[in-house]
Amino acid sequence: EDKVVQSPLSLVVHEGDTVTLNCSYEVTNFRSLLWYKQEKKAPTFLFMLTSSGIEKKSGRLSSILDKKELFSILNITATQTGDSAIYLCAVDNYGQNFVFGPGTRLSVLP
Amino acid sequence: SQTIHQWPATLVQPVGSPLSLECTVEGTSNPNLYWYRQAAGRGLQLLFYSVGIGQISSEVPQNLSASRPQDRQFILSSKKLLLSDSGFYLCAWNEYGANYGYTFGSGTRLTVV
Repeated sequence: EDKVVQSPLSLVVHEGDTVTLNCSYEVTNFRSLLWYKQEKKAPTFLFMLTSSGIEKKSGRLSSILDKKELFSILNITATQTGDSAIYLCAVDNYGQNFVFGPGTRLSVLP
Repeated sequence: SQTIHQWPATLVQPVGSPLSLECTVEGTSNPNLYWYRQAAGRGLQLLFYSVGIGQISSEVPQNLSASRPQDRQFILSSKKLLLSDSGFYLCAWNEYGANYGYTFGSGTRLTVV
């Protein structure tokens, strides 16, 4: 059965800290890996990764994929309270839907 | 531009009552539509998906059903709610045949009492 694992499940940091969120996966067929940020309601799209070793960057957020070791990391530098959210990792396995991990709940304290 | 609408935002229903959650998409045609439920610490669980009018696939056997009466309308229903149906329900869409991520609706927080 295809699965996606995220760690840690919960993380508390202070503003200005740098955090690394982990996502590992086991899928029969891999097409892409996606990161979402969920604050209070709908998850919003952050990155889609398809190739190993190519970093995607958006402001203070960046992500990279390792298809050999089957994982991805999401980095957030100089965290702000507005980064507090659940970060979801999902994998497209060529199926009809995406397989989601449980999410990492990040809390950034002032 | 495409938009997705989901309502209601919150709902408190007694056990045994019926349920109807609605989701509509604007600005596209023939979208893939999805219903997910989110439980704490368990990520998003796919409930139903649809690739066209009247075409519904169920991923998890349960007390819920889905219907797609129109191309851009997706409805989640139950005849009799259970306490275990409480949760956060998300509708999502992407373009037919697309391999990119979803766009999610704003979600419905359902509490069954």
